Amino acid sequence: QVNLQQSGAELVKPGASVKLSCKTSGYTFSSSYMTWFKQIPGQNIEWIGMIYAGDGKTGYNQKFKGKATLTVDTSSSTAFMDLSSLTTEDSAVYFCARRYSDGTHFYGWFAYWGQGTLVTVSS
Amino acid sequence: DIQMTQSPSLLSASVGDRVTLSCKASRNIYNSLAWYQQKLGEAPKVLIYDVSSLRTGIPSRFSGSGSGTDYTLTISSLQPEDVATYFCQKYYSGYTFGAGTKLELK
Repeated sequence: QVNLQQSGAELVKPGASVKLSCKTSGYTFSSSYMTWFKQIPGQNIEWIGMIYAGDGKTGYNQKFKGKATLTVDTSSSTAFMDLSSLTTEDSAVYFCARRYSDGTHFYGWFAYWGQGTLVTVSS
Repeated sequence: DIQMTQSPSLLSASVGDRVTLSCKASRNIYNSLAWYQQKLGEAPKVLIYDVSSLRTGIPSRFSGSGSGTDYTLTISSLQPEDVATYFCQKYYSGYTFGAGTKLELK
């Protein structure tokens, strides 16, 4: 079955960067998209961007351009998100998620989610 | 950008109640709507997609309806395990979630 396993919680200082990971199993990673979301606890879920693992092409929410960089390592079926120049406003839970696919088409809703990574930015 | 507005933001109901949650889009989203349940400390879980299709394994007490800009999630008989926050998500012209409805037991 599809599984997305995210890296552990991070405590980082303002101005620093952090790299989150999302290790996948149970499907063909290189033929799929990975999407990342931000959620401040108790608040809304924001779309950060997505990456196609086959060729590394990305699409970003304008709000997160320059903040988030998405990459993949197909050899380990792992997706990564770099967050740079962190401020307290970046403190949140970050999720990776995969859209549902019937093997032919990708649909717009997210059937599979990682457990989330809590990033706390504090001095 | 198309905005998604959910109401109410907080809903208190009793076990066995029929519960209705609303999600309104600022423009037509052509039935590209899903509903998710998120329990405290967990990732969202999809309940309904394409307005009214029930995800495999989701209890039949959950149902969705609507069209155009107005959509509804209904729980026919509230159970204690349904305490959670519910989000709608549109996938027409990008991905946007509503702010959520927190459902609690009265």
